[in-house]
Amino acid sequence: SQKIEQNSEALNIQEGKTATLTCNYTNYSPAYLQWYRQDPGRGPVFLLLIRENEKEKRKERLKVTFDTTLKQSLFHITASQPADSATYLCALEGGNTGKLIFGQGTTLQVKP
Amino acid sequence: GAVVSQHPSRVICKSGTSVKIECRSLDFQATTMFWYRQFPKQSLMLMATSNEGSKATYEQGVEKDKFLINHASLTLSTLTVTSAHPEDSSFYICSARAGTHTGELFFGEGSRLTVL
Repeated sequence: SQKIEQNSEALNIQEGKTATLTCNYTNYSPAYLQWYRQDPGRGPVFLLLIRENEKEKRKERLKVTFDTTLKQSLFHITASQPADSATYLCALEGGNTGKLIFGQGTTLQVKP
Repeated sequence: GAVVSQHPSRVICKSGTSVKIECRSLDFQATTMFWYRQFPKQSLMLMATSNEGSKATYEQGVEKDKFLINHASLTLSTLTVTSAHPEDSSFYICSARAGTHTGELFFGEGSRLTVL
């Protein structure tokens, strides 16, 4: 069956450190993968999109990698800040339909 | 970025009543919108794809007669929860794309439904 798996355990790190979140998928062949941020009681906000032919994508303190062989994406936040505390969701297309299927999200807590 | 507005943000209703949630794309036209449902500490579950001018496409296990979706214009989609029951209490979120098929989704702020 198709699965998108993110670490359900919350990630707690100290301010200034690099946070690394993992997204693994099975039985999908996505042309791209996206990462979103969600704060409690709010809708998700788009962060980054990475295509299958891209190994790495950066945006300010954010970096995403995409390994189609391992079927895995890593999401990094460098020099983390308490304001980065949120739930981070990965998403990929479910079949060539345009609709996005989301992982369960990983909650990041950055402590000052 | 593009803005998607969702209303109401919170609604409380009695069992058996119907509730309508509106989703509007404010500064772009959306031929397709997506409705998601989210339970506490769980991920977004896609309910249906709303297509302007045609019937919505529902995901497996989602009752189309229970969750009525109408996409009357390029900027408005509505979700009506009919004959609501307490188990329908959830966070409902709509989203839309502003451009290409593979582009990012812009999400509304979500609607918290509580059925008493």
